[in-house]
Amino acid sequence: AQSVTQPDIHITVSEGASLELRCNYSYGATPYLFWYVQSPGQGLQLLLKYFSGDTLVQGIKGFEAEFKRSQSSFNLRKPSVHWSDAAEYFCAVFTGNQFYFGTGTSLTVIP
Amino acid sequence: EAQVTQNPRYLITVTGKKLTVTCSQNMNHEYMSWYRQDPGLGLRQIYYSMNVEVTDKGDVPEGYKVSRKEKRNFPLILESPSPNQTSLYFCASSLAGRFSYEQYFGPGTRLTVT
Repeated sequence: AQSVTQPDIHITVSEGASLELRCNYSYGATPYLFWYVQSPGQGLQLLLKYFSGDTLVQGIKGFEAEFKRSQSSFNLRKPSVHWSDAAEYFCAVFTGNQFYFGTGTSLTVIP
Repeated sequence: EAQVTQNPRYLITVTGKKLTVTCSQNMNHEYMSWYRQDPGLGLRQIYYSMNVEVTDKGDVPEGYKVSRKEKRNFPLILESPSPNQTSLYFCASSLAGRFSYEQYFGPGTRLTVT
């Protein structure tokens, strides 16, 4: 069965520090991969996506993610976190017809 | 403005009283989907539609129905709601096809079933 794992339920970082959020998926082929962000009380906004090709993809708000086929991972990174990045982050995979989301990582940013 | 709209945004109802949550998009998207979001469980896909008159079950379809009679609309129907369907519901849409499926999400509908 397909699944998406975000092993970190909650992460706290200081403003200006770097950030990495982990995502692993279980699927027989290479799916389409996405990261979404959900601010408190809001809907979901697409941060970035991977379909094929270059394994390092850039997104909005200074985020990037790297696809590693050998590790079935698609980790999200940001070199310097801003207070406004505090939110919940979801990794998602699309398998050709269905979407599977991880359980999310809640990010707290300390001033 | 390109958007996905959902109505109502908030709904409190009683067990067994049929309800419909509407979803509409103005982007001519083929793919539409419904999710429920529960604490600690992330988003789980209820139903999806690849195009008009084409719908299929997601991971958690029990207790829900959908229809896709027009491209822009994808209502979610709870024929006999139960308390375990209390949740935050999101509708989403995207283009379909190669290198597509970037979903746009609606604002959410918070449903409470007592």
